[in-house]
Amino acid sequence: GENVEQHPSTLSVQEGDSAVIKCTYSDSASNYFPWYKQELGKGPQLIIDIRSNVGEKKDQRIAVTLNKTAKHFSLHITETQPEDSAVYFCAASIGSNYQLIWGAGTKLIIKP
Amino acid sequence: NAGVTQTPKFQVLKTGQSMTLQCAQDMNHEYMSWYRQDPGMGLRLIHYSVGAGITDQGEVPNGYNVSRSTTEDFPLRLLSAAPSQTSVYFCASRTVAGGSYEQYFGPGTRLTVT
Repeated sequence: GENVEQHPSTLSVQEGDSAVIKCTYSDSASNYFPWYKQELGKGPQLIIDIRSNVGEKKDQRIAVTLNKTAKHFSLHITETQPEDSAVYFCAASIGSNYQLIWGAGTKLIIKP
Repeated sequence: NAGVTQTPKFQVLKTGQSMTLQCAQDMNHEYMSWYRQDPGMGLRLIHYSVGAGITDQGEVPNGYNVSRSTTEDFPLRLLSAAPSQTSVYFCASRTVAGGSYEQYFGPGTRLTVT
């Protein structure tokens, strides 16, 4: 079946440094790629998304890049802050109703 | 707006028992879905609905039933609980209009089956 692989599973960075999380997907028909942030004890929350007709998208300190040829997309967080500590999930759409296949998650730890 | 609400927050069941996890949303979203979240496995889609009276299976539907009689509610039924169904369950909703695919998640139900 279709799948999404996400790396690394845990990422520890110094406050103020950048963090990069990478995902690859298998379904060449996928055309929507969101990133969600999940804080402890809460449901995931969308932080940024990208469509297949766009190569890069930025929103303040967060950016996402997409390489459709390689079936690869990445989340970049610059100037990391303590409140960025959370679990981050990537996902890729499948099917006409835009169901999502999710990566396994990355636990981001920001060291003071 | 309350957003997406789920009840209960915690539940312990014995093997073979049945129960219903409740999900409601007040955003008039057409699309609703149920996921389970297990350690190291991300979220897996159980069932989804694109509108009242319409449901479909996701990746892991076995052992679960759903119905969608109203736009607001999308309950998930466990027919005969098994230890393998121990998980955290999330309900989510989104609109199907306007080109936005953002899903709004409830706070989750932590289910333990002994």
